[in-house]
This record gives sequence, structure tokens and C-alpha cells, in this order.
Amino acid sequence: EVQLVESGGGLVQPGGSLRLSCAASGFTFSSYSMNWVRQAPGKGLEWVSYISSSSSTIYYADSVKGRFTISRDNAKNSLYLQMNSLRAEDTAVYYCAPGRDWFDPWGQGTLVTVSS
Amino acid sequence: EIVMTQSPATLSVSPGERATLSCRASQSVSSNLAWYQQKPGQAPRLLIYGASTRATGIPARFSGSGSGTEFTLTISSLQSEDFAVYYCQQYNNWPPLYTFGQGTKLEIK
Repeated sequence: EVQLVESGGGLVQPGGSLRLSCAASGFTFSSYSMNWVRQAPGKGLEWVSYISSSSSTIYYADSVKGRFTISRDNAKNSLYLQMNSLRAEDTAVYYCAPGRDWFDPWGQGTLVTVSS
Repeated sequence: EIVMTQSPATLSVSPGERATLSCRASQSVSSNLAWYQQKPGQAPRLLIYGASTRATGIPARFSGSGSGTEFTLTISSLQSEDFAVYYCQQYNNWPPLYTFGQGTKLEIK
């Protein structure tokens, strides 16, 4: 069974940093592109970042470019999102999901709250 | 950026009836469109990809159609577990700039 477990969320002050992790199991993690997608409270879905299976290709949404860094460790079956210079508008549940086109399946998400 | 617009924002339908949800793209996305279902407190679940291909384990009452800029998700006979929020997502761009619609809430009438 495919499992994706996000962690690392929490309360952080504006301008602060946080590192999210996504632990994958039940599939060949190293063969799949991975993504972070977020959802602000009561709002819709927003794609955040993409990383190819070998980490050779990385993309970001304009809203996070220059502040967030996606990475992965295929030996540890793990995906990461380093979030710096956090803003109130980054408050959201952050999901990890495999896929180059559509996203399937999704983890349960981790909540990031940016507030003073 | 391709803007995805879903309608209606809220759809009230009785169990056993048919529901038709719409998604429009601001420019052609060919058949590069997916649909997701999200229930309260849960992660989204993939229903449809390639505009019309059901994902693994998705019941046959869910069907997708359309291409270009106009897409439809149809649920043929609503079950109680189908009441949720539905999102469309395009994946036509490369480099990726995946965009989602704002969602349609399907509620019990």
C-alpha cells in the first residue's frame, strides 16, 4: 500500500523558516517525480513545487520562488520542502504527492501556520 | 498562466440523481485534465485523468468528458459518500505550472 506521511508543520512567525518532510513507502520512490501542493484554510488547491526522480529538474510556483527549496533523498525515500521568509499567506496544509502530470495519491498533509 | 474556472460553485442534488460539474480552461489544455474529490478533513483523491480515464478503484458512476477548454465530470447516480468538493486540474504546461479550479461543492438537496 502506498503511504505518504508529511511532517514538520507548525506555528512560525512571519519571516521565519520551517522544513517539511514527506516519508514515502509502498512504491519505488526513486522512480517518481514528486510535488508539494498546498491548501489555505477553507480555500482551494495550489501547486507549490515539482522535483524529478533524479532531482535534475525542479520547478516552483511564482508565489514561492526564491523562498522555498524542494529536495529529495532517494536512499531515505523522503521528500523535503525548506521554507524560508515565510509570510502569512503561506499558511496552509501542505501535501506531498507523486506525479509528473496528475497527482496520485496524496499524503494526509501537514499544517503550517505563519502568525505572530 | 492557464486559469481554470469551475461551475457552479455549489450544486445541490438528491441522492440517486445525476450530477454534472463543469470546468473551463482559459486556453486549450487538450485532454490534459484531472478531477479530484475532497471530503472534509481529508486529502484530495484522484478520480479522473486524461479528461476521461478513471483512476484505479474509482466506481463506474464517475465519468469525465471534454477536451480543449470545456470539461465535464458526471456522477450518474449519487451515493451518500459522493457529497464532497470536486476540483479540476490542468497539466498541459511544460515547464509545469499546474493550476486547479476553485472547486465545486456537491451538497445533499
